[in-house]
Amino acid sequence: GQNIDQPTEMTATEGAIVQINCTYQTSGFNGLFWYQQHAGEAPTFLSYNVLDGLEEKGRFSSFLSRSKGYSYLLLKELQMKDSASYLCAVKGGATNKLIFGTGTLLAVQP
Amino acid sequence: DVKVTQSSRYLVKRTGEKVFLECVQDMDHENMFWYRQDPGLGLRLIYFSYDVKMKEKGDIPEGYSVSREKKERFSLILESASTNQTSMYLCASSLTGGASGYTFGSGTRLTVV
Repeated sequence: GQNIDQPTEMTATEGAIVQINCTYQTSGFNGLFWYQQHAGEAPTFLSYNVLDGLEEKGRFSSFLSRSKGYSYLLLKELQMKDSASYLCAVKGGATNKLIFGTGTLLAVQP
Repeated sequence: DVKVTQSSRYLVKRTGEKVFLECVQDMDHENMFWYRQDPGLGLRLIYFSYDVKMKEKGDIPEGYSVSREKKERFSLILESASTNQTSMYLCASSLTGGASGYTFGSGTRLTVV
């Protein structure tokens, strides 16, 4: 089967750095995605990792270790607008669909 | 700008009604998906389609059906709405291929009373 775990909630301070972890178990692996979702809105794509290592995109970076079934999303120089849910999703399994974690609700405080 | 468009942002329906949720994408994507999203449960896949007139059950298909008569349109049907189908419904589409993520519509918040 497939399973994705991420923390339910996190709190961080404006200007700081926060790391959101995601662990997964899947039969077959074709990549890991991070999405951002503001309250009442659709998820929007943030990053994609298929090989081990760090992918950097501006203030956001995502890391993958396939052998450990582990990823993290790193947000630097936090802004109030970064308050949102962050969804970890793994593509794999028999049907190669995206399977989503339940999301991490990040609250950025002044 | 590529888009996935869901016909309604908010809907209120009565128990027992037949409900149609429409989704249209303009990206010529092969794959389309319907999810529902509930607090604490995350995104759960209801149905998906990888080609016109093709459909596959997701994780929670009970009480739902779908229709894909044209490549760009994927409809979700609640045959007889019940209060436990009150939820946020999200449509998504994607190309086939490992690196292809999903593009989501803005969602339909359905309330069944």
